[in-house]
Amino acid sequence: KAGVTQTPRYLIKTRGQQVTLSCSPISGHRSVSWYQQTPGQGLQFLFEYFSETQRNKGNFPGRFSGRQFSNSRSEMNVSTLELGDSALYLCASSLGNEAFFGQGTRLTVV
Amino acid sequence: KQEVTQIPAALSVPEGENLVLNCSFTDSAIYNLQWFRQDPGKGLTSLLLIQSSQREQTSGRLNASLDKSSGRSTLYIAASQPGDSATYLCAVHNTDKLIFGTGTRLQVFP
Repeated sequence: KAGVTQTPRYLIKTRGQQVTLSCSPISGHRSVSWYQQTPGQGLQFLFEYFSETQRNKGNFPGRFSGRQFSNSRSEMNVSTLELGDSALYLCASSLGNEAFFGQGTRLTVV
Repeated sequence: KQEVTQIPAALSVPEGENLVLNCSFTDSAIYNLQWFRQDPGKGLTSLLLIQSSQREQTSGRLNASLDKSSGRSTLYIAASQPGDSATYLCAVHNTDKLIFGTGTRLQVFP
């Protein structure tokens, strides 16, 4: 059974640009969550979607947004990129209590 | 506000040793606790999930315990191997999101 797939794996963007990251959950999983990982802050929760509805949101500015489609695939978007947005962005899907993570998208903002 | 702490931050041991990694949390009202492994630049691999009603879980050489009343979990690794070298993260599941500790970086040398 395929795991959580995140695309792309690596991205380099310029300050002020916007970016969209994609996450395909494990088949049958309806919950998708996003996390940001940086050396200084560790892993921080961005938001969680279930059946196309955002159920929970972390403490990030409105430049960070997301959505979930009817097939449970999810995208997150970051607008007006800042240098501090450089991070590993991780997506997790879950069915019940256990979370399974993808390999992440490494975003570098220059 | 839930806070998760992991001790030690780093650990370097010779192959064959038995190890204990510690995780503590401030709010005992958790749904479950999950231990992950992360290799450099990669995503998270789920190792063990302990439900809030359970005391421990075992998988191969790994054993995780949970004491909700004292806000502690331990991950025991038996007969460590160089392939166990990675960062180990614990996370508590709290209202539709995971709250992560800062991790223990483990190095096992031959």
